[in-house]
Amino acid sequence: DTAVSQTPKYLVTQMGNDKSIKCEQNLGHDTMYWYKQDSKKFLKIMFSYNNKELIINETVPNRFSPKSPDKAHLNLHINSLELGDSAVYFCASSYNDRGYEKLFFGSGTQLSVL
Amino acid sequence: AQKITQTQPGMFVQEKEAVTLDCTYDTSDPSYGLFWYKQPSSGEMIFLIYQGSYDQQNATEGRYSLNFQKARKSANLVISASQLGDSAMYFCAMRLYNFNKFYFGSGTKLNVKP
Repeated sequence: DTAVSQTPKYLVTQMGNDKSIKCEQNLGHDTMYWYKQDSKKFLKIMFSYNNKELIINETVPNRFSPKSPDKAHLNLHINSLELGDSAVYFCASSYNDRGYEKLFFGSGTQLSVL
Repeated sequence: AQKITQTQPGMFVQEKEAVTLDCTYDTSDPSYGLFWYKQPSSGEMIFLIYQGSYDQQNATEGRYSLNFQKARKSANLVISASQLGDSAMYFCAMRLYNFNKFYFGSGTKLNVKP
């Protein structure tokens, strides 16, 4: 059973299109995230939700819109895709273990914008 | 501002030998956690080990240990008895206790030679 699952694993699309990436976690965690990993492997947080509420929005273009219908799901919708959006997008969730937050990642979605 | 620095973009180690991956961090917050994640070529991010800023002893998890030197703000990962399956990217990360955001280093690519 996958703890944090995101779909699709690969996404190839044309510039200007709109696409969505779905994420679900079955760990019962309250907090979920979206991270972007660029071609140089640098991981940068995009959004963080806690119990369906947005708590972190890191200067991400408003073409990116996260949606959390419930605390187990955090989807990412991207409008008007650009070449620079090509990256691996990771969904993650976290929980507090004896005072410390532990982060668990999904397997990533490799987005290629042509 | 918070920052994580991994100065070794790539490293080689002989199978069965130990290897140390460097990580330094910068924060003025006294409460934080330090993490190491492994990213194999398949892309997923795997949690390895965690160290809290107030922990008196260095964390250990099997063949992984974290050499935590608080005064020097370093949190190096030591992998003992390297295995071929240890070949991967390794990321150091920090989370401030009172702020639900993880900061990641740029990663170190480890290659284990047979």
